[in-house]
Amino acid sequence: AQSVAQPEDQVNVAEGNPLTVKCTYSVSGNPYLFWYVQYPNRGLQFLLKYITGDNLVKGSYGFEAEFNKSQTSFHLKKPSALVSDSALYFCAVRDSGGGFKTIFGAGTRLFVKA
Amino acid sequence: GAGVSQTPSNKVTEKGKYVELRCDPISGHTALYWYRQSLGQGPEFLIYFQGTGAADDSGLPNDRFFAVRPEGSVSTLKIQRTERGDSAVYLCASSPEASGFYEQYFGPGTRLTVT
Repeated sequence: AQSVAQPEDQVNVAEGNPLTVKCTYSVSGNPYLFWYVQYPNRGLQFLLKYITGDNLVKGSYGFEAEFNKSQTSFHLKKPSALVSDSALYFCAVRDSGGGFKTIFGAGTRLFVKA
Repeated sequence: GAGVSQTPSNKVTEKGKYVELRCDPISGHTALYWYRQSLGQGPEFLIYFQGTGAADDSGLPNDRFFAVRPEGSVSTLKIQRTERGDSAVYLCASSPEASGFYEQYFGPGTRLTVT
């Protein structure tokens, strides 16, 4: 069965510092991995995805994520955090071997302090 | 262009009543998904449509929940005999097609409160 774990409910960073939001997954086949962000009173927005190829993927707003197959991880990173990055972040996985379900993690709330 | 829209944005109903939640996907998107999001949780998959047919309804919690997409565009999620535990935000998403490498475009959600 597919599953996603986001081990941190909340991450606090100071503006200008690097940030990491952690995600690990479990699928039976090869994973399609996604990060979405949810701002207050707004819908979920796509940030980036890993499908195949280069393990480091770059997405919107300066975010990037690294796929690590041996550690079954897909951590979200940004070199320099902004206060406006404060939001709720969701990692999601889909099994490339078939099926239509996308499984979401419980989310990690990011607070960036000025 | 227009994104995914959902109506109503809020719905308050009494326990035991019937409700319908509507989703208008992005024009041309053939894949449509319904999710339920409870407070403090990520979206929980309910059902997936490819065109007019429900290709995967394994996430529907019980037979009180039903969804249709008769013309392959607008979809309606129907909940019969609502229970307080059905209270949640119901999210709709669409994508250009079913292949898993497409990201999903989410609507703002319908907040359902069952009193």
